[in-house]
Amino acid sequence: LAKTTQPISMDSYEGQEVNITCSHNNIATNDYITWYQQFPSQGPRFIIQGYKTKVTNEVASLFIPADRKSSTLSLPRVSLSDTAVYYCLVEGYSTLTFGKGTMLLVSP
Amino acid sequence: DSGVTQTPKHLITATGQRVTLRCSPRSGDLSVYWYQQSLDQGLQFLIQYYNGEERAKGNILERFSAQQFPDLHSELNLSSLELGDSALYFCASSAGEPNEKLFFGSGTQLSVL
Repeated sequence: LAKTTQPISMDSYEGQEVNITCSHNNIATNDYITWYQQFPSQGPRFIIQGYKTKVTNEVASLFIPADRKSSTLSLPRVSLSDTAVYYCLVEGYSTLTFGKGTMLLVSP
Repeated sequence: DSGVTQTPKHLITATGQRVTLRCSPRSGDLSVYWYQQSLDQGLQFLIQYYNGEERAKGNILERFSAQQFPDLHSELNLSSLELGDSALYFCASSAGEPNEKLFFGSGTQLSVL
């Protein structure tokens, strides 16, 4: 199973762009890269998923280099409500090991 | 609203007791996952069921068991409870295909006193 490494925590200010990078050196050919967001006392919520290059939706962008050994979640112009834990997952089937994620704190 | 329903929302019990947590997946989803989240361990995968059959097992203790019923709802049974079992227990569901996103319920907060 692919192991992911991401920073334990990050700090930012309102209006800034935040980039959270995840390393997944032994990603398998069939694995997609998926990011979830979790607020305190709530279940994680899907943000974005990609396989290669760049994916963008209404809340975030996901950048994946050609070797797919890392990925970067980009949150444009964060607000206080983006304070949450962000998880990077790369398993293609079942278990979806979440780990401890990255705690993003957005300050005024 | 994710469409996944977990009951009860809160549960307070004593050490040595047994409790049952219930999960109803989103309509049409065949797969159910159980996770445990405590402050020091993060979100830990416990077990997955697909259409009534166990598909994957994670860090689930022998004191814990689960099942998925023909109507696809699932129950997580926790027995001989210890103080360390106090945690948030989440259920998630998906159609069960690779790389699918999971939809999580709002969790059951278990407090063992």
